Amino acid sequence: AQSVAQPEDQVNVAEGNPLTVKCTYSVSGNPYLFWYVQYPNRGLQFLLKYITGDNLVKGSYGFEAEFNKSQTSFHLKKPSALVSDSALYFCAANDAGNMLTFGGGTRLMVKP
Amino acid sequence: GAVVSQHPSWVICKSGTSVKIECRSLDFQATTMFWYRQFPKQSLMLMATSNEGSKATYEQGVEKDKFLINHASLTLSTLTVTSAHPEDSSFYICSARRQGGKGEKLFFGSGTQLSVL
Repeated sequence: AQSVAQPEDQVNVAEGNPLTVKCTYSVSGNPYLFWYVQYPNRGLQFLLKYITGDNLVKGSYGFEAEFNKSQTSFHLKKPSALVSDSALYFCAANDAGNMLTFGGGTRLMVKP
Repeated sequence: GAVVSQHPSWVICKSGTSVKIECRSLDFQATTMFWYRQFPKQSLMLMATSNEGSKATYEQGVEKDKFLINHASLTLSTLTVTSAHPEDSSFYICSARRQGGKGEKLFFGSGTQLSVL
């Protein structure tokens, strides 16, 4: 069975500092990987995805993620955090059968 | 941890029939649930926001008469795909919002793969 893990329930970072939100996956075959963000009282918003190609994927709002096959990771990164980035972040993975699995989510708190 | 149960996981149906998908929050009350669909290699698309005791809020372009949503209790929301056609074949997933002392969090069902023949 496939699984997605986000090992940190919460990540705290100061505004202007780089941030990383971790995600590891276990999927048979080649994975399709996604990052989503949830702001309070809203549904999920798509940030970026990896299907194939360049391991470094750039997405919305200055976020990027690096696909690392050997470590089965897809960590979300941003060079300089903003207070407005504070939200819940979800990593997700598709297998070849298109079943989607989400990680448990990581709350990002950016302090001024 | 909180669990959201989505049923069925797989469904194959004939064109013209209706299919009901259930989303249950097993250990918390969810006043709000979200329904999404996903096409292969694409990101999730929010279809509608389901609010307990009131009408669902549909996203632009989603036919409310085709995708009927009922959120009759604090632990159950259903999505009915009426008169399904092959183009409705997709992966549907629900999420339930839990609100608490540490803020709100989303929990996801395991999804439903719908194939319409």
